[in-house]
Amino acid sequence: GAGVSQSPRYKVAKRGQDVALRCDPISGHVSLFWYQQALGQGPEFLTYFQNEAQLDKSGLPSDRFFAERPEGSVSTLKIQRTQQEDSAVYLCASSSTWTGTNTEAFFGQGTRLTVV
Amino acid sequence: AQSVTQLGSHVSVSEGALVLLRCNYSSSVPPYLFWYVQYPNQGLQLLLKYTSAATLVKGINGFEAEFKKSETSFHLTKPSAHMSDAAEYFCAVSDRRNGNKLVFGAGTILRVKS
Repeated sequence: GAGVSQSPRYKVAKRGQDVALRCDPISGHVSLFWYQQALGQGPEFLTYFQNEAQLDKSGLPSDRFFAERPEGSVSTLKIQRTQQEDSAVYLCASSSTWTGTNTEAFFGQGTRLTVV
Repeated sequence: AQSVTQLGSHVSVSEGALVLLRCNYSSSVPPYLFWYVQYPNQGLQLLLKYTSAATLVKGINGFEAEFKKSETSFHLTKPSAHMSDAAEYFCAVSDRRNGNKLVFGAGTILRVKS
């Protein structure tokens, strides 16, 4: 596609419910990132994939958060047993190059998750 | 660890006036630095980036930023504000040793008054 696509755009979940957020990166982009943006804050890094390999998951806040990219393209961020503090906008970004270079990361519009 | 500080969570300027958004960074290695803009309900859009070439970087929509190593700063400027510049602006530093993940500042909301 022309850009990074995320779905759904909005998600309301009851506390304790599991959710899955999808990211379709730009075709051919090898690097994929997930960020969490709380209200009034800058985005914070969650995890990074290079093709299908998850190279860095240091930003995932708890073991309730899980991300995968099984075929090196579409990625899913899964949150189990959602809590109110998980309410945020989840941003996905992709870029065309490998570690150590300076290529721009292209961001999707995000998924706004509200846990009630 | 890398970090970014944006001074001023809100900046208000008159249309036609100079825009100055401040960003200071901390990095243990020579940094790559970025400015992104976010319009309501939109994703982040890259304005400009510094990647160790020229210290004065020109970006889209008339914005530019100057990398000053001695001051660890990367302030964003535009000579004349336009109403369409009203948005939230984020400064970010890239950890190029680790997949280019971005560390963002908290953001500055720019308001442009007519």
